[in-house]
Amino acid sequence: EVQLVESGGGLVQPGRSLRLSCAASGFTFDDYAMHWVRQAPGKGLEWVSGISWNSGSIGYADSVKGRFTISRDNAKNSLYLQMNSLRAEDTALYYCAKVSWNSKGWYFDYWGQGTLVTVSS
Amino acid sequence: DIQMTQSPSSLSASVGDRVTITCRASQSISSYLNWYQQKPGKAPKLLIYAASSLQSGVPSRFSGSGSGTDFTLTISSLQPEDFATYYCQQSYSTLMCSFGQGTKLEIK
Repeated sequence: EVQLVESGGGLVQPGRSLRLSCAASGFTFDDYAMHWVRQAPGKGLEWVSGISWNSGSIGYADSVKGRFTISRDNAKNSLYLQMNSLRAEDTALYYCAKVSWNSKGWYFDYWGQGTLVTVSS
Repeated sequence: DIQMTQSPSSLSASVGDRVTITCRASQSISSYLNWYQQKPGKAPKLLIYAASSLQSGVPSRFSGSGSGTDFTLTISSLQPEDFATYYCQQSYSTLMCSFGQGTKLEIK
């Protein structure tokens, strides 16, 4: 059974940093790209960042570029999101999501339950 | 960046109704379009990928169509468990994507 378990969220002051983790199990982690998607309270889904299976390719949303860093450790079956210079607008539930793909494209087939980040003084 | 626009933003319908949600991309994305369902307090769930392919385990009352810039999600006969928020997602680029703003489907 595929499981994605996020951790590391919490209350943090504006301008401070936080590191999120996502522990993966139930699949061959280093075969798949992984992403972070966030959802502000009462709002829609916002893509944050994605990383290829071997960390060779990485993408960021403009809203987090230069502040957030995605990484992975395939030996530990783990995905990370280092969040620096946090702002109030980064307050959200952060999901990690596993990619699946075929000849028709790629999509998120599994999601974690999310970890809540609250940025407030 | 590719912008995704869903309509309507909210919709009231009754059990048994046929419902259609539309998603429009700001540029052509071929068939790189996926649909998700999200219920309150839960993570999103994949319904449709590649515009029209039904994810395993998803009821056949859900269907998707479209290509290029215009896409639709249709629920042929609404069931009580279908009341939720629906999101489209474009996956045209390898490691970047974007979501529509969501369509909240409510009971009339």
